[in-house]
Formats: sequence, C-alpha cells, structure tokens
Amino acid sequence: QSVLTQPPSASGTPGQRVTISCSGSSSNIGSNFVFWYQQLPGTAPKLLIYRNNQRPSGVPDRFSGSNSGTSASLAISGLRSEDEADYYCAAWDDSLIVWVFGGGTKLTVL
Amino acid sequence: EVQLLESGGGLVQPGGSLRLSCAASGFTFSSYAMTWVRQAPGKGLEWVSVINNSGGRTFYADSVKGRFTISRDNSKNTLYLQMNSLRAEDTALYYCAKGGYSSTGFDYWGHGTLVTVSS
Repeated sequence: QSVLTQPPSASGTPGQRVTISCSGSSSNIGSNFVFWYQQLPGTAPKLLIYRNNQRPSGVPDRFSGSNSGTSASLAISGLRSEDEADYYCAAWDDSLIVWVFGGGTKLTVL
Repeated sequence: EVQLLESGGGLVQPGGSLRLSCAASGFTFSSYAMTWVRQAPGKGLEWVSVINNSGGRTFYADSVKGRFTISRDNSKNTLYLQMNSLRAEDTALYYCAKGGYSSTGFDYWGHGTLVTVSS
C-alpha cells in the first residue's frame, strides 16, 4: 500500500486532456514539493514535473502539474500515442522521514 | 551530459550480500545528494535510500534499514549501496538517481542494475 494514492490506470484518445491524481497527507504533499516521473515501457523513469508545477527543459508544455492541499494532479493535454507510459508522483514525508512514491498510473492512449 | 552508470547487480542467494556502484559524470558530484530507487519486476517505484552531498547524512526505507548501507566517494564520483542479509523481496532493478533533497527530487536516473535474490 503506497503512502501516495494514484489511480492504477487512466486512458484517453489522441488530442484529449487527461488528469492523473495523487492523494497524500499533510506530512508529504501538504508540506513538501511534489514531483512527477514518466516511465516509458522498458526504460528508466524521467523527471516530468518538479516543485509541483515546473517543467524541466525539453518537457513539452502539454504536461502540467498542480497542487491543492494534500493532493496533486498531473494534466496532459493534446494527448499523443507517445505519452503511453507509467506515471508516478513522489514527495518527501516529514513524519516518516522518507521519500514516498505513488503506486503509479498506467496511461493508455486509445 | 549527466551520466549515471550502475553496476554490481547479479544473482545472489538469500542471506547473501552485494555491493552496487553508480559511476557519475557530467556534473559536480560532490555538490548533490544521491539516491537509490528500486523497482521489483512488474511493480512500481520504491525509494530505498538517500545520502547528502558530503556523505554525512543518510536515510533509509524501513524495508532495508539495518541491512543496506548507502555511501559515496566524492573523489571517485561514485555512489554505493552495500546490501546485506538479502531477501527474495529485494529482487528488483536498482536505479541510481541524482538528487534527493526534498526541494530537488531526482532529476536524472541511470538505467539500473538488476538484483535477483534466489536459491
């Protein structure tokens, strides 16, 4: 059971906007930055969003992050087939004194 | 270009030991925290351990505390993970990642090294 809760799956058609949620608590998302990682099939994870809503250079602006209290969301607009991947949220937990990950969301582009 | 190259994985019997290494290049290694994250076959990401830039502070997941030790040699730009008393549930692909402070996350990842614990 992951400390951060994500839906196990999400889907959309090309061009659509999809949102992936990440639910935590006051000791992690509620008090620390959230990071999002994209893991394409058979590859290492890649940083997608840092500090809640910042994109590293090279990440398309179709990807955006937001926070509200103890929850965070990743939005992908203009969905493309190459976005099909697993997505993970992560944050430091001040109470557990560990990094915590969400269980991951498998995004399927129909 | 940031590069992280893990090595040291392999097949080990339950109760055995392994030492993983991560050779870093393309950035000032001694200025950054470093992290190990693992992924069991077909499962999600699990944070294992983090070490600060000087090596003076370390943190571990409960699942490995007392069995694994993270360390670094800044003169060799290398991160290590000493794994003792290995269990079947430690079987995973182990990734080395740059970063690990709560404000920075992990901005670069290696390709991973596979550890299989089996008799």
